[in-house]
Amino acid sequence: AQRVTQPEKLLSVFKGAPVELKCNYSYSGSPELFWYVQYSRQRLQLLLRHISRESIKGFTADLNKGETSFHLKKPFAQEEDSAMYYCAPLADYGQNFVFGPGTRLSVLP
Amino acid sequence: EPEVTQTPSHQVTQMGQEVILRCVPISNHLYFYWYRQILGQKVEFLVSFYNNEISEKSEIFDDQFSVERPDGSNFTLKIRSTKLEDSAMYFCASSVGRSSYEQYFGPGTRLTVT
Repeated sequence: AQRVTQPEKLLSVFKGAPVELKCNYSYSGSPELFWYVQYSRQRLQLLLRHISRESIKGFTADLNKGETSFHLKKPFAQEEDSAMYYCAPLADYGQNFVFGPGTRLSVLP
Repeated sequence: EPEVTQTPSHQVTQMGQEVILRCVPISNHLYFYWYRQILGQKVEFLVSFYNNEISEKSEIFDDQFSVERPDGSNFTLKIRSTKLEDSAMYFCASSVGRSSYEQYFGPGTRLTVT
């Protein structure tokens, strides 16, 4: 069965500190992986996808097939990064997302 | 920038009643989705819809649920006889294509079943 875990429910860091949001998946084949973000009182929106290898708002994520991980990283956190972050692999039985439980990132001043 | 819209933002209903949640996807999108999020839990996939039929559905999407695209713009989720455990935030999403295309989410409808 497909599974995605985000071990931290809440992660608090100080502004300017590095941040890493962990995501591990259990999938057969080669899943496509995404990170979605939900800022306070806003809708879920795509942050980045692994196939594009881009950096959005300073965030990057590397797919590590050996460790089956897709951790989200940013070298210097900003207060406006405070939000819920969801790791979301595309399900291998279809083309719909299987969201992780989410990590709430709180960036303290 | 076009957005997915959902109405109502909050719906309160009594157990056993039927509810219809409405969504207007982005106009040139072809794939439509419903997800739900029970308070404090993760976002769960319900159903995807393409070319006027269901393309995928999860175990949650049982006979009490149905989806419809009654006209060229609306995409609805109907719950026939609501249960207390149907209380959740329901998100509609749409995408221009399948696979790695970005899904655009609506703001959600909070359903409260009393």
